[in-house]
Parts: sequence; C-alpha cells; structure tokens
Amino acid sequence: GENVEQHPSTLSVQEGDSAVIKCTYSDSASNYFPWYKQELGKGPQLIIDIRSNVGEKKDQRIAVTLNKTAKHFSLHITETQPEDSAVYFCAASIGMNGNKLVFGAGTILRVKS
Amino acid sequence: KAGVTQTPRYLIKTRGQQVTLSCSPISGHRSVSWYQQTPGQGLQFLFEYFSETQRNKGNFPGRFSGRQFSNSRSEMNVSTLELGDSALYLCASSSQGANEKLFFGSGTQLSVL
Repeated sequence: GENVEQHPSTLSVQEGDSAVIKCTYSDSASNYFPWYKQELGKGPQLIIDIRSNVGEKKDQRIAVTLNKTAKHFSLHITETQPEDSAVYFCAASIGMNGNKLVFGAGTILRVKS
Repeated sequence: KAGVTQTPRYLIKTRGQQVTLSCSPISGHRSVSWYQQTPGQGLQFLFEYFSETQRNKGNFPGRFSGRQFSNSRSEMNVSTLELGDSALYLCASSSQGANEKLFFGSGTQLSVL
C-alpha cells in the first residue's frame, strides 16, 4: 500500500544550526506534500506544503524541496531556535478525489540552546 | 477565524462501551477528515466526509463510523471499544477541493480501560 518513510526519527541540533528531515513516498500519483509541526498536547500544525509541479518552496526560515523522479522530499529549517523543538511529520496525498494523506512516522527535533 | 474545534478534550471509557466524538470545522470548510494517532502506528487516516457523504475511507474495522451534518459539523463513533482503541483522535478540515490544505484540531484523547 501507500507508504511514507521519514528520517531521522530524532534530531538534535545546536541553536542557530540547520536541520534537515527527509521523506520518501511510494505512490507515484501523489501530488501534494505537506509538513506538520506538532507540539505537546496540540494537534499537528501545517507549516509548509508543496505540490508536484514545484521543485522548491521557501517561507522565511523554512524550505521544502521535492524530487518527483526519486520520490523524495525534504524539510529544511535554517537558523534553528529553541521554539522549533517539536515533532515534525511529512505527508503525501493519496488519490485524486478528496483529501487523504499518508503520514511519515515523525521526527523529534530538539534545538539545544 | 476560529480553528477546528473538537469535543470533548479527554474521555475515559471501559472495554465494550461506545463513544462519540465531535468536530466543528473552520467556517466555510466543507470537508472533514478524521485521523487516529498512537505512539505505535503514528497518524492513520480513518475517513473523510464532504457534503454529508463519506468521500474516502481508511483501513479500519466497521466499529469505526462517522457522519457529517448539513452545517459541516462531523461526529465519529467507535462501538464495542477495545483497549487498542486508546489514542488521540484528530479531526481536520479543508475547503471543498481535492488535495487541499488540512487544518487539524487539538484532538480528543480517548483512554479505554
């Protein structure tokens, strides 16, 4: 079935450094790839997304890249801050009718000050 | 604009009971999706409703059901609860298209004893 693999499962960085999280998806028909940040006791928050007709998208310190040929997409956070500490999930769309996402297992990001 | 609202925030039930969870989507959003989040299985898609009709369905047993009302509010029901149903149940809303941005609520934490 459809699957998204996410790496690493945990990531510790020093404040000010960059963090990169990578995902691989299996369904070649997937065309929408969102990233979510989840803090303790809260629901996932959409932080950035990209569609298959775009290779890269940036929003301030956050960027996402997509390689459709390799079925890879990545989240890049620059100049990390302690408040970036959270669990990050990648996801890929399934099907063309409606809104159905398959999620990666998540990455725990710790930013040390 | 108010976000996605889920009630109740916490629930404790015993095996064999049934439970109903409620979700109010963002105003103007007509699609409501439900996800189950557990430490072992991560985020898994349950179903999606649009215009009071189930548009997509995940791989969960028939004990899990849902419905959507004419005002787009949605409920999900789990009958004959099992210990393994303990999870955070998340509702997400989106506008009417396909592969649109999903916005999550804070979830209902269900504990089955």
